[in-house]
Parts: sequence; C-alpha cells; structure tokens
Amino acid sequence: SQTIHQWPATLVQPVGSPLSLECTVEGTSNPNLYWYRQAAGRGLQLLFYSVGIGQISSEVPQNLSASRPQDRQFILSSKKLLLSDSGFYLCAWSPDRVGEQFFGPGTRLTVL
Amino acid sequence: KQEVTQIPAALSVPEGENLVLNCSFTDSAIYNLQWFRQDPGKGLTSLLLIQSSQREQTSGRLNASLDKSSGRSTLYIAASQPGDSATYLCAVRGRGSTLGRLYFGRGTQLTVWP
Repeated sequence: SQTIHQWPATLVQPVGSPLSLECTVEGTSNPNLYWYRQAAGRGLQLLFYSVGIGQISSEVPQNLSASRPQDRQFILSSKKLLLSDSGFYLCAWSPDRVGEQFFGPGTRLTVL
Repeated sequence: KQEVTQIPAALSVPEGENLVLNCSFTDSAIYNLQWFRQDPGKGLTSLLLIQSSQREQTSGRLNASLDKSSGRSTLYIAASQPGDSATYLCAVRGRGSTLGRLYFGRGTQLTVWP
C-alpha cells in the first residue's frame, strides 16, 4: 500500500531564516506531487505541483520554492521566511492528474 | 475561475441523526469531485471520489451524490456518531487547462455530541 510522509511535524522558525520541508511517498512510482498551505480562515491553497522529476509548476508567486530531486521526494524551501509564511503545510500525491488525491500528515510552521 | 462553496460552515447535532452536507461549484465542467475529512491538526483523509459521469458513491455510512449540471454535491452521513466529528471538505477537479487542479471549499465543521 502507498504511504506519504512529511517532516518535520512542527517547526518554529525566526523571520529571515531558511526553510526546508520534506515529503516522501512510498509504494508507488511516478506520482503527481502537490504542496498546499492551509492558513486560518483562508482554506487550502495550492502552492506547487509536479508531474515528474525536475518538473515543477508554481501556482502562486511567493517567497517559497519547490524541488523534486527524486521520483518520490518533494521538497518545499525558502531562503528567508516571512511572518506570512506561517501555516499548516500539506503534501499530497495522486497516481495521475485526475486520480484520487491522498494527503500527508502535514507540517505546522510558525514564523516568529 | 472555479469557486466552491460549502454550506453550512458549522453543524452541531446529537448522536444518531442523519446529516446532509452541501457543496456547490460555479463551473460545471469538472472531471471529478472528491470529499475529504480533516481532524484538528491532521492531514486530509479521502472519503469518496465521484467521477463526472457518476451520480453517487457509497462507502459504509457515507453516500455522496453529484449533480454536475446544477453544480451541486451532497454528502449524506447516516446514523452519525461522535467519531464523525471533524471538518468535511469538498473539492472539484477541473478540466482542460486546469486539468488536475483541485479547487477546495472552506469546509463544514461537524460536531456530533453523545
């Protein structure tokens, strides 16, 4: 069966510090991968999605970037965090562009 | 741009009641629709996926219907239990240039009390 992991589970970072969140998927190959942010009162916002290694599409221009160095690994990064980057970050995968989407446990990021 | 609305925003009911959660979307050109459950501080759990050609899907006490032409979906929960307490999210998947992209509603926060 397929599983999706995210780490860390929680993170508290100062403004201006770098960020690296990791997501890995097991039990499948060539998944479509997604990064979402869930902020209080704003619902789920799609940040990035990837259909293959090195292929990243950005949905919203912002302070963040994403990379996919391996087939089942998706990384969300920032060089300098802003207060507005605080939120709950969720990684998801699907077998293709139209299949059921499955979410990871999330990372709670607080920027102080 | 696709917009997804969920009504009500919050619902509190006693155990045993049958419930209906509503989801509406503005663009009927969807590929499929997915219902999720989210517990506080947790990720989303997929409940049901309905293809645009389908009218309904069932899983245990859950039944989701889809009326694509009117832009509506409902999630029916039979014989609700306290363990059903969570936020329920509806998401539609677009077609064409937006194929693959999920558009989410803000969710319905459900509380089932014993």
